[in-house]
Amino acid sequence: QSALTQPASVSGSPGQSITISCSGTSSDVGGYNLVSWFQQHPGRAPKIIIYDVTNRPSGVSNRFSGSKSGNMASLTISGLQAEDEADYYCSSYTTTSTVVFGGGTKLTVL
Amino acid sequence: EVQLVESGGGLVKPGGSLRLSCAASGFTFDGYTINWVRQAPGKGLEWVSSISGISRYIYYADSLKGRFTISRDNAKNSLFLQMNSLSAEDTAVYFCVRARRGYQHYFDFWGQGTLVTVSS
Repeated sequence: QSALTQPASVSGSPGQSITISCSGTSSDVGGYNLVSWFQQHPGRAPKIIIYDVTNRPSGVSNRFSGSKSGNMASLTISGLQAEDEADYYCSSYTTTSTVVFGGGTKLTVL
Repeated sequence: EVQLVESGGGLVKPGGSLRLSCAASGFTFDGYTINWVRQAPGKGLEWVSSISGISRYIYYADSLKGRFTISRDNAKNSLFLQMNSLSAEDTAVYFCVRARRGYQHYFDFWGQGTLVTVSS
């Protein structure tokens, strides 16, 4: 159950697009279309923004989108806004019916 | 309104034990798998354990090495985490997290967490 690999930090200017990668193995990311992404602001509980690789929960902005290719998942945020500055985590269901998270990525909006 | 309220956190000495609780409301508790997820101070999220609606399926993170036990009391809409042989590495905020029914991996509601500090 090794953690999924995410970049420690990414940054972008308002209006730009950024992509956060999430690398796993065939036992997790590559094995199922069961990747989720969470947004966490300081001092707050995480909030789900993407589930099942590409799906957005009701109420989540369509500026957030997810994708997957092989053992790599990605989260793209378009039209960056100041409020998007937060920590982002990917997670995946695994072949042993457990869940593994990525190490997290800190997004800075310049 | 769905609510998950954790309790039971606090300061415990290394080697000690602690039992966390999560009180659920606003949904049919026994119909949902519930998870514990923890977050060490300044660190990332770590999945701890899950338990299905009627406790048929229970899973744990390998890293716990059998020290933690998850359980639930559906009559009281409550989830528990018994933690034994605690060490400094277990210091974290522990979140109670609901998985949406019908989905294998859709963590739709999170509690605000309870802080566990393991220190002498």
